[in-house]
Amino acid sequence: GEDVEQSLFLSVREGDSSVINCTYTDSSSTYLYWYKQEPGAGLQLLTYIFSNMDMKQDQRLTVLLNKKDKHLSLRIADTQTGDSAIYFCAESYGGYQKVTFGTGTKLQVIP
Amino acid sequence: DAGVTQSPTHLIKTRGQQVTLRCSPKSGHDTVSWYQQALGQGPQFIFQYYEEEERQRGNFPDRFSGHQFPNYSSELNVNALLLGDSALYLCASLGTSANEQFFGPGTRLTVL
Repeated sequence: GEDVEQSLFLSVREGDSSVINCTYTDSSSTYLYWYKQEPGAGLQLLTYIFSNMDMKQDQRLTVLLNKKDKHLSLRIADTQTGDSAIYFCAESYGGYQKVTFGTGTKLQVIP
Repeated sequence: DAGVTQSPTHLIKTRGQQVTLRCSPKSGHDTVSWYQQALGQGPQFIFQYYEEEERQRGNFPDRFSGHQFPNYSSELNVNALLLGDSALYLCASLGTSANEQFFGPGTRLTVL
C-alpha cells in the first residue's frame, strides 16, 4: 500500500542548510513532490522529481531521490525565516492519479 | 489569473447537518481533486472530477459526494456530519500539464 513518512520537526539557524527527509513505500510511484504549507494557507508546490531521476536542483532547493531505499530528501540552502512552514512529501503514480501525502515536517528557522 | 478559489473560508456546522463546499479551478484547468486535511495531518484524497464525472475516489464513505459543473467548478457535499469531519478541505486543480496540482486556500469546517 501507499505510505509516506516524515519526521515531525526540524529546527535550523538562519543561513544554515535544512534537510528534510521522507520515506515512501510504494515502488510504483512515478512522481515525488515537495509541498510547502504556511499557517492558514493552502499547499504550494515547491518542486517535484520523476522516479527515474536521482537529483533535481532549483535555485536554493535540491531534491535527492534514492529509489532503492525509497528515500527522498529536500535540501534548502541558506535557509531564511520566510522558509518557516510545514513541508509535505508526497507521491503519485503521476498524471491525473491521486497524490498521497506524508504527515508533514514543521521547519522552524531561528534568526 | 485568480488561481484556485474556494468558498466559504470558514464554516461551522452541528452534527447531523449537511454541508456544501465550492471550488473554482485555475483558468484553463478541467480536473478538480478534493482533499481533507485534519489538524496536524497531511491531506487525504477524497475524490477527483473530470468531465463532470467522478474519476477516482479515496477511502471515504458515501456521505462524501461531489459534483462538477460544465464550467469545471466543483462542489463537495458531506451529509450527516460527524465531529471527525472537522478539517481543512482543500481543492486542487490540474490542467493539461498533469504533473502539477494547484491548491486553493481551503475551507475550514468545524463540526460541533
